[in-house]
Amino acid sequence: SYEVTQPPSVSVSPGQTASITCSGDKLGDEYASWYQHKPGQSPVLVIYEDTKRPSGIPERFSGSNSGNTATLTISGTQAMDEADYYCQAWDSSTVVFGGGTKLTVL
Amino acid sequence: EVQLVESGGGLVEPGGSLRLSCAASGFTFSSYRMNWVRQAPGKGLEWVSSISSTSSYIYYADSMKGRFTISRDNAKNSLYLQMKSLRGEDTAVYYCARDLGGKSHLDYWGQGTLVTVSS
Repeated sequence: SYEVTQPPSVSVSPGQTASITCSGDKLGDEYASWYQHKPGQSPVLVIYEDTKRPSGIPERFSGSNSGNTATLTISGTQAMDEADYYCQAWDSSTVVFGGGTKLTVL
Repeated sequence: EVQLVESGGGLVEPGGSLRLSCAASGFTFSSYRMNWVRQAPGKGLEWVSSISSTSSYIYYADSMKGRFTISRDNAKNSLYLQMKSLRGEDTAVYYCARDLGGKSHLDYWGQGTLVTVSS
């Protein structure tokens, strides 16, 4: 079965740029999506189709996907961005989530 | 406003059964594929199952096959997950989420319902 891999944790200082990677075989050949998940809340879609932001998602969130790696980039990271982030891809007709990355803003 | 509201969670003994529901509103339910996704305590998101808009295509994660059954009632704007032979490792918050089909993204999620499997 298809798997995508994320680093367990990423730390960033406020105002700096955070990058979270998602690796999978030929991941760049398919669309990747990213979700933000804060404790006690529902997951929120922040990037879809590799680079697109849903309405209401700040411009500081951006995405890319090429080769075997998709990347979520948060520019000018704010304290409110501290959360778990999950990439999502597809394995045939089933959804695949990465293991999640805990973003710490310190 | 799109709303997905899960219900039916609770405490169940190992080997028991439970039926979760997800009530949809604010969009044309019958046009969307629907999914169940869960998160066990301290763990990441795990996709459980999906059902196409007309129920023609149904998929399950391997660990749920034969124990979980997804269904929907488009007339009632509702999604269901029948779970049986429950195990401790099924303890999780269960979310319903919609997508447009194909290889799209899950754009709206419910608030989740907690299922606890314990004696």
